Amino acid sequence: KQEVTQIPAALSVPEGENLVLNCSFTDSAIYNLQWFRQDPGKGLTSLLLIQSSQREQTSGRLNASLDKSSGRSTLYIAASQPGDSATYLCAVNQGNTPLVFGKGTRLSVIA
Amino acid sequence: SQTIHQWPATLVQPVGSPLSLECTVEGTSNPNLYWYRQAAGRGLQLLFYSVGIGQISSEVPQNLSASRPQDRQFILSSKKLLLSDSGFYLCAWKDRKIWGYTFGSGTRLTVV
Repeated sequence: KQEVTQIPAALSVPEGENLVLNCSFTDSAIYNLQWFRQDPGKGLTSLLLIQSSQREQTSGRLNASLDKSSGRSTLYIAASQPGDSATYLCAVNQGNTPLVFGKGTRLSVIA
Repeated sequence: SQTIHQWPATLVQPVGSPLSLECTVEGTSNPNLYWYRQAAGRGLQLLFYSVGIGQISSEVPQNLSASRPQDRQFILSSKKLLLSDSGFYLCAWKDRKIWGYTFGSGTRLTVV
């Protein structure tokens, strides 16, 4: 059974700092990995989707990498801003089976 | 463009009352549809998913049920709510040709 772990569970950083969020999964036979952002009391917003054949994806200040063989992904946020404060969720897809989520990393960026 | 609608946004229901949450998708056909629940301090738990009209797969045994009466409509129901049914319910869809999932804005359910 696929399990997804996110470390750390919570992170507090000063504004402007670069940071890395980690995601690991137990079964490397995935089709893709998706990073989401969730603001308090809100739904999930998709940030980046990495196909299993890809190594990384970039969108603005966000960069996500995927090392499928080792079962790891990282989300890099450059020059963090208070507006980046949210919970970041990692999820993996193994084809026709539904997404499996980690418990998330709660990020606070302090001005 | 594709959009997903989920309502209501907030719901407070007494124990033992029925429940009906609705999710509809626009701008696509024959999507995969999903219901997830997010309880306080816990991760997202898959409840049900559907690959077509009338086709429902249940992931967790509980007093909830799901139905898909139309191609782009997914309904989560309960005949009698329990306190443990409180949580944040999220509907999601996936196009069969596109890998990414899209989530609705969620329903905050409080059972009192």
